Amino acid sequence: KAGVTQTPRYLIKTRGQQVTLSCSPISGHRSVSWYQQTPGQGLQFLFEYFSETQRNKGNFPGRFSGRQFSNSRSEMNVSTLELGDSALYLCASSPEDGYYEQYFGPGTRLTVT
Amino acid sequence: GQQVMQIPQYQHVQEGEDFTTYCNSSTTLSNIQWYKQRPGGHPVFLIQLVKSGEVKKQKRLTFQFGEAKKNSSLHITATQTTDVGTYFCAGFIKAAGNKLTFGGGTRVLVKP
Repeated sequence: KAGVTQTPRYLIKTRGQQVTLSCSPISGHRSVSWYQQTPGQGLQFLFEYFSETQRNKGNFPGRFSGRQFSNSRSEMNVSTLELGDSALYLCASSPEDGYYEQYFGPGTRLTVT
Repeated sequence: GQQVMQIPQYQHVQEGEDFTTYCNSSTTLSNIQWYKQRPGGHPVFLIQLVKSGEVKKQKRLTFQFGEAKKNSSLHITATQTTDVGTYFCAGFIKAAGNKLTFGGGTRVLVKP
């Protein structure tokens, strides 16, 4: 099976812009989670989607949003970018909702200037 | 709020030596998972522990879940250069709506 894929892999944006990141889970996986990874804060949970419904949300401002499509693909959007949003954004999929291992994609490296 | 802490943050190990990294939660965990992230890579699932006091082994790696389900440890014997990377523990915290909460990670550097 192909692994989790994320596009784009690298992105440079300026403050105030918005960005959309895409994630395709492993075939058959219905749960998709997003994480922000920074050197200072580690891996921070953003949100989890299962069957097109947001199941859980981390402590991030409303500028961070996401959605999941009927084919389980997911997108996350960050509006009004700030310098502090520079990070590696990781998507992870798992077969079902619940206590399953997460299969991570390679991530999207976002740099905000 | 609820959080998962890992110590040490950095571990410099001589090749061939053993070391242990610890994971502690401020609240009871439903279960705990361990991941490894190689430099420049993404986290890769290693193992999941569910039961209180559970111990699991994967070759040179031994994982343990505490009796109170609030802490866990990863012990690596005879460290090799392939063990380089950051090891994360992650726990499902019921009180936090079962969000998977990651520890800060232990970055392992191996001296040949």
